Order: sequence, then structure tokens, then C-alpha cells
Amino acid sequence: DTAVSQTPKYLVTQMGNDKSIKCEQNLGHDTMYWYKQDSKKFLKIMFSYNNKELIINETVPNRFSPKSPDKAHLNLHINSLELGDSAVYFCASSQNPGQVQPQHFGDGTRLSIL
Amino acid sequence: KQEVTQIPAALSVPEGENLVLNCSFTDSAIYNLQWFRQDPGKGLTSLLLIQSSQREQTSGRLNASLDKSSGRSTLYIAASQPGDSATYLCAVSPTTDSWGKLQFGAGTQVVVTP
Repeated sequence: DTAVSQTPKYLVTQMGNDKSIKCEQNLGHDTMYWYKQDSKKFLKIMFSYNNKELIINETVPNRFSPKSPDKAHLNLHINSLELGDSAVYFCASSQNPGQVQPQHFGDGTRLSIL
Repeated sequence: KQEVTQIPAALSVPEGENLVLNCSFTDSAIYNLQWFRQDPGKGLTSLLLIQSSQREQTSGRLNASLDKSSGRSTLYIAASQPGDSATYLCAVSPTTDSWGKLQFGAGTQVVVTP
């Protein structure tokens, strides 16, 4: 059983397009996260939701908009894609806001901007 | 500002040798430290989580120590196997943030040769 699943796994698109990445977790966790892993392999937090409420919003361009329809889903919509958005985007979840429980990660979505 | 550093960036050992991976962080005000494993094309798998009040955690062949005052953690993998080949990441959760925001190091890429 896949605990944290992301779709699509690969996304190749042109500059200026709008795209969405979906994430679902079946662990019954309250908290979900989006991370970005750049070409240098650094992972950085972008957003976090706890019970559908935004609790972490890092310095991310407002072209990125997360949406949590319920606590099992956290989607990421990106408007007007730019070359610098090329990266691997990881979704993660944890039982509570991460202080005592490990975070569980999806396999990532590899976004390539042409 | 918290900075997490992992040395070495890459490591190659013959099967059977013990692995020692280092992680240092500049701000000792952390809730916990986690060690993750990342396989190529895959997400992160949580290996060990050490609370700030703990000195070490063990799971099978893995042992992680934490010295918060000196800002260091070490992951030991005993009797390495080719299946241990992966990138190992450490991440800290700062006390200045109560929502589980993890700050990652760049990782150590490990190759275990048969």
C-alpha cells in the first residue's frame, strides 16, 4: 500500500504554462507538506497544512498555490511556470506537526520546464 | 539562521565495513533530528528520529547519536551491504518553529561495493 502518493511522477511542460501536482496520503495523518529539491539536491520546505489549514508558508512566489480539499489531500498548483521551477517536488505527511513523529515522503514529481 | 552540513558529500566502502556519516548544525535549539535515506528516483524514507532530550537511537544495524551542545549527529551503519547504497540526509526541526518545518543537509551519497 502506498502511504503518500503523488501524481504525476514526471511532468514536462513549456514555460508560461499552468500545472498542478496532486498528493494523497492514506496514513490518517493530520499534517501535510510540500518540499522542493533543487538541482543541488537541497530539500526546502514550501508549505504545510494541518487539518486543511495553512500553517507554513515559506518565501515562495505567489505563482505557487497549495490547496487542501481535505486532510488526506494536498495539491500544488503552479501558474506561469518559469525555467527556475524545474526541480523535484516532494509531498510528505506526519501524524502531527512534525515535532515527535517522522515525516513520510512520496516518491516525488520531477518537473522539467522547456 | 540554521545551517545543516553533511560531510563527506560522498563515500565509497567495501561490503562489510562500518559506515560513519556526519551531520552538523549551527543552532543547537532543535526539537529533534531525523535521518533519512533517499534512493535514486524515490522519495525519502525516515530511518531514525532523535528527540532533543535523547542521546541516541538504534534500529537494527543503524545507530544515530546526537550531541546537541556541539551541534553534531552521527549515523553509524554496521556491516554495510550493497543494499545500503543510497543518499543519506539529516534534517533538524528548530524550536523556533512549532510546525514541523525540517531543515535538511545536502546529503551524503554512499556506495557499498560487493
